[in-house]
Amino acid sequence: GAGVSQSPSNKVTEKGKDVELRCDPISGHTALYWYRQSLGQGLEFLIYFQGNSAPDKSGLPSDRFSAERTGGSVSTLTIQRTQQEDSAVYLCASSLILQVDTGELFFGEGSRLTVL
Amino acid sequence: TQLLEQSPQFLSIQEGENLTVYCNSSSVFSSLQWYRQEPGEGPVLLVTVVTGGEVKKLKRLTFQFGDARKDSSLHITAAQPGDTGLYLCAPKSGTYKYIFGTGTRLKVLA
Repeated sequence: GAGVSQSPSNKVTEKGKDVELRCDPISGHTALYWYRQSLGQGLEFLIYFQGNSAPDKSGLPSDRFSAERTGGSVSTLTIQRTQQEDSAVYLCASSLILQVDTGELFFGEGSRLTVL
Repeated sequence: TQLLEQSPQFLSIQEGENLTVYCNSSSVFSSLQWYRQEPGEGPVLLVTVVTGGEVKKLKRLTFQFGDARKDSSLHITAAQPGDTGLYLCAPKSGTYKYIFGTGTRLKVLA
């Protein structure tokens, strides 16, 4: 596709349920990032993928959060046993240039998660 | 944990006014990016600055990277309603991680 695609765009779930959020990066982009943006806040780094591996998972808030990437393309962020504090917009970004300082992050429109 | 502060948090101005927003940290960064985010959308890159003291202009927007590469500013001349949005600075930490500030929420009134 032309840009980063995320689904679902909106998800309302009940506390305790599991959710999966999907990201389709721009074709050929080897780097993929997940960020979380709470209401009125900036972006909180969650995880970074280089290809299918995740050298940096340091931003995942708890062991309820996990992510995987397959085929160097699609990524899924899974939140188990959701809590109300998980409510936020989850943004995915991809990038072609990794090591060069001028690499640009291309963001999707995000998945808005509401936990009741 | 690197502390990144953006100021002001909120700014509401009239069309035609000038403004400056700031991004400050105690850490030194190899590069820094500015993004703008509109409601319901992801952030979009405005500019990347790499060299200490660097100044880049993008139409009515002027970006500066501090000499010590710890801070940056964004100046907008003659603001337009279309400039309304959340302005985020994002310095690069290490080889791949971008740290985002909490942003400056700008509203330009017609």
